[in-house]
Amino acid sequence: GIQVEQSPPDLILQEGANSTLRCNFSDSVNNLQWFHQNPWGQLINLFYIPSGTKQNGRLSATTVATERYSLLYISSSQTTDSGVYFCAARNLIQGAQKLVFGQGTRLTINP
Amino acid sequence: DTGVSQDPRHKITKRGQNVTFRCDPISEHNRLYWYRQTLGQGPEFLTYFQNEAQLEKSRLLSDRFSAERPKGSFSTLEIQRTEQGDSAMYLCASSVTGLGEKLFFGSGTQLSVL
Repeated sequence: GIQVEQSPPDLILQEGANSTLRCNFSDSVNNLQWFHQNPWGQLINLFYIPSGTKQNGRLSATTVATERYSLLYISSSQTTDSGVYFCAARNLIQGAQKLVFGQGTRLTINP
Repeated sequence: DTGVSQDPRHKITKRGQNVTFRCDPISEHNRLYWYRQTLGQGPEFLTYFQNEAQLEKSRLLSDRFSAERPKGSFSTLEIQRTEQGDSAMYLCASSVTGLGEKLFFGSGTQLSVL
């Protein structure tokens, strides 16, 4: 099945810094999503982005499907951005509906 | 839109006991997923329903695990004869078929098997 790899595994930044999180996937995808898991464990959907670029406030994401990677950008980081960021992808094999998650990037924003 | 609801929030049980979790998806969502997450790992897919039909199951889902979604509304996940290795966060998510199929997760049920 599809493999999803995220980097870096951990990232520690000062408040106000910018960050880039990367997600590589092994096969063609028809569904790619980014999630933020807050310190209480709740998974929040950030983007549905199988291709192209989207922006939502300080967050933006770009997926280059032909090169099998996606990037999540966080600008002007705030302490509330801390948590684990997951990328999840679904490949094009007929009938496969599951999203496969990466191992996540743990982001810590220090005041 | 009240979001995906899961109950209970926490469950502590002894090894060998049976446990059942409930998930209420967002009302108009026809797709429902169960995932399991252990500490430091990403969520792992367990099973998927479209309406009341269970269409996909992971190899992780041993015969001690069973899931149902009667009438295509809420879903239950039962674990029989629990083992310590079953300790994990059990997450439910729902989505609606179509473009932009975003998954929305509940808060999860944290299972501890003693």
